[in-house]
Amino acid sequence: EPEVTQTPSHQVTQMGQEVILRCVPISNHLYFYWYRQILGQKVEFLVSFYNNEISEKSEIFDDQFSVERPDGSNFTLKIRSTKLEDSAMYFCASKPLAGDSYEQYFGPGTRLTVT
Amino acid sequence: QKEVEQDPGPLSVPEGAIVSLNCTYSNSAFQYFMWYRQYSRKGPELLMYTYSSGNKEDGRFTAQVDKSSKYISLFIRDSQPSDSATYLCAMTSYNQGGKLIFGQGTELSVKP
Repeated sequence: EPEVTQTPSHQVTQMGQEVILRCVPISNHLYFYWYRQILGQKVEFLVSFYNNEISEKSEIFDDQFSVERPDGSNFTLKIRSTKLEDSAMYFCASKPLAGDSYEQYFGPGTRLTVT
Repeated sequence: QKEVEQDPGPLSVPEGAIVSLNCTYSNSAFQYFMWYRQYSRKGPELLMYTYSSGNKEDGRFTAQVDKSSKYISLFIRDSQPSDSATYLCAMTSYNQGGKLIFGQGTELSVKP
């Protein structure tokens, strides 16, 4: 069964460093999302991406964040200058284009630890 | 008022019990409702997806949506220890472009 994959599974970085989190969405999906989950808190929407541009972003997704689809398979989230409060699980999700389907399929997540 | 409210639990039941998990929401525009299962430090796994009001059954799982009450439920029959996980409700509307709004998650433990 096709699935969303994410790398790395765990990233440790120092405050102020840049990190890139990588995702490979399900191959025939056309909508892509990033969410994050701070330990013990809700899953929160960060950004949605369709047709090579951002569709919507939350207030969390400030100038320090960017997304890119550098090729036909990868979808990346970059945090330019990490802060301690960026420590969280980051989940990539994808959704097919087909019809009225709003089901999203999530990857296993990248645990980001900022020290 | 929070957009989506879900009792975080924890909820502990004996094996074989019927489990009822619930969420309430405030935004009447929500039309698409999902239940995800999340094991510790893993990604959410889609369990059930329903559109608008009504029931949907898949094996031991039944999802119910009551839009008039802004209330959704997930029932698990014949619960198993492997069902022990956190269950997240999520929802969206046509106008939100697929952005999912999640509940806090309910932690379920099924004891053998």
